[in-house]
Amino acid sequence: EAGVTQFPSHSVIEKGQTVTLRCDPISGHDNLYWYRRVMGKEIKFLLHFVKESKQDESGMPNNRFLAERTGGTYSTLKVQPAELEDSGVYFCASSRDSGLAGHEQYFGPGTRLTVT
Amino acid sequence: AQSVTQPDIHITVSEGASLELRCNYSYGATPYLFWYVQSPGQGLQLLLKYFSGDTLVQGIKGFEAEFKRSQSSFNLRKPSVHWSDAAEYFCAVGARRTNAGKSTFGDGTTLTVKP
Repeated sequence: EAGVTQFPSHSVIEKGQTVTLRCDPISGHDNLYWYRRVMGKEIKFLLHFVKESKQDESGMPNNRFLAERTGGTYSTLKVQPAELEDSGVYFCASSRDSGLAGHEQYFGPGTRLTVT
Repeated sequence: AQSVTQPDIHITVSEGASLELRCNYSYGATPYLFWYVQSPGQGLQLLLKYFSGDTLVQGIKGFEAEFKRSQSSFNLRKPSVHWSDAAEYFCAVGARRTNAGKSTFGDGTTLTVKP
């Protein structure tokens, strides 16, 4: 089966611009997560979807970030307007929605966002 | 709040030598525990996981980890390192709950393998 895919792999934008990141989870995985790694620090949780519903968005840094998962399939993460501190690698992960398997997250390769 | 500490930012070992990467966690109870590896240009790959039962867990690529409740640790080990093991390694904890949820990660440990 295909793994988690993310697009684009790298994005360079100027401060104040808008960027939209996309994540396609593994087919059949109801859980979808967004994480971010800034400046080589720890990978931080942003939010968690179960199908199309936001289960936990406690990690979203501010209202410049908007995540959607229409139809419960792929997800987008929009940053508008982008700031310098938004630079980092954005990871998407997905997992099944069944017992302990739900805790096994499969990660995509990440999108490296550079804001200049 | 749960947290994870990986005390070693960077470790260098010779090929064929043994390896131990340290991980300590803070959590109110016994969490779910994970080790991931990230090779350059790749996503994070799950090496192994601990949910319950035997505290010594085996993973892929010859890795194992031991959960020690008294030390709040989940150290990763490999008896003989291969050059292809050079990568960044992340320890993570997940809340013990019935439905899926977020993981909390450490800062990562970069492993360099000398020939």
